[in-house]
Amino acid sequence: AAGVIQSPRHLIKEKRETATLKCYPIPRHDTVYWYQQGPGQDPQFLISFYEKMQSDKGSIPDRFSAQQFSDYHSELNMSSLELGDSALYFCASSLDEKTQYFGPGTRLLVL
Amino acid sequence: AQTVTQSQPEMSVQEAETVTLSCTYDTSESDYYLFWYKQPPSRQMILVIRQEAYKQQNATENRFSVNFQKAAKSFSLKISDSQLGDAAMYFCAYKSGGGGADGLTFGKGTHLIIQP
Repeated sequence: AAGVIQSPRHLIKEKRETATLKCYPIPRHDTVYWYQQGPGQDPQFLISFYEKMQSDKGSIPDRFSAQQFSDYHSELNMSSLELGDSALYFCASSLDEKTQYFGPGTRLLVL
Repeated sequence: AQTVTQSQPEMSVQEAETVTLSCTYDTSESDYYLFWYKQPPSRQMILVIRQEAYKQQNATENRFSVNFQKAAKSFSLKISDSQLGDAAMYFCAYKSGGGGADGLTFGKGTHLIIQP
């Protein structure tokens, strides 16, 4: 079965640079969620989109923004990167807003 | 705000035995969903099992079952016939009901070790 696709899988950036993470949900899934998982931490919810509209907002920094496009893929834009932004970023998708299926994650390292 | 507590940072079990992972949560909502996710060393988040709060029957998926005690706000995961591939971090998670695309609230996780 098709799964959530995230790209890139690994990303290395310098402080103060920008990064864009992409997420392609499972086909026919209309809801996308973004999470951040720091080393040794549980995932923290950032933001979600349903039918291209922002639905719920968690602990997303003002330096981050996201959107969902007409083909339901989503992008997380991160600016003025800080060392503390180094983490695993997950995208998840759902069809019925009950169960979220996670992608493999993007490992971001900020130097 | 909802909170999820996993009081066991680490658990160890012998292969083929049964182990139970604990999870408690705090909420004022009556409609919600509870999940267990598994995160192996690859760090992929894999759904193990889901429980709807309005269902009294405990969810079961092959060797995985839950003990859902709504009044006690407890949601434990039982793994029967433990296998080496079950070794992972297990996260309990809560999602509000009501039809919105709400994010999950996770517990801190339990690291499960399988002894051969």
